[in-house]
Amino acid sequence: DAGVIQSPRHEVTEMGQEVTLRCKPISGHDYLFWYRQTMMRGLELLIYFNNNVPIDDSGMPEDRFSAKMPNASFSTLKIQPSEPRDSAVYFCASSPNRYEQYFGPGTRLTVT
Amino acid sequence: DAKTTQPPSMDCAEGRAANLPCNHSTISGNEYVYWYRQIHSQGPQYIIHGLKNNETNEMASLIITEDRKSSTLILPHATLRDTAVYYCIGGGEYGNKLVFGAGTILRVKS
Repeated sequence: DAGVIQSPRHEVTEMGQEVTLRCKPISGHDYLFWYRQTMMRGLELLIYFNNNVPIDDSGMPEDRFSAKMPNASFSTLKIQPSEPRDSAVYFCASSPNRYEQYFGPGTRLTVT
Repeated sequence: DAKTTQPPSMDCAEGRAANLPCNHSTISGNEYVYWYRQIHSQGPQYIIHGLKNNETNEMASLIITEDRKSSTLILPHATLRDTAVYYCIGGGEYGNKLVFGAGTILRVKS
């Protein structure tokens, strides 16, 4: 298995632009998680899905952030409009059984 | 979720066992203890989890005290590739909402 796939691996954009991060979970995993990691705040859970349904989005910073999971093999995290403080590494993870989470390589986002 | 306390850093000689401690005195009866690690510039990697009993897998062993207030992750034969940040997490019953702290930086030295 290829593991969790994230794209792009690096994204540089200007403030105010829309950013879309993509994730393909491991096949057969029913849970999908989006995290954000910064030096200041560490690794934070943003939202997670179970069977494509958002279960908990309490970690989403504000209305500029949205996440979707249209099917079992694809999810997106969108930031519109982006701000410099959104600069971080964004990780997607999937899980088959709620105990083990398998993380992707991350997307490094820089907003200038 | 239970608050966990870990030493900020530890050193270990290559080939020796690495014993990483974690205090989780506020853990409740149905909360699991999870261990993950993050090698520089990579996503976190699941290592092991446990509830009450000691657990072992191909990567590590997890020793949980009888009162469940602390645990130790044991890497039996540390290699240079084990240098990473190790996170101990006292998670919810289903591990869905993992709260990552600062972790322990383990440096394995030759």
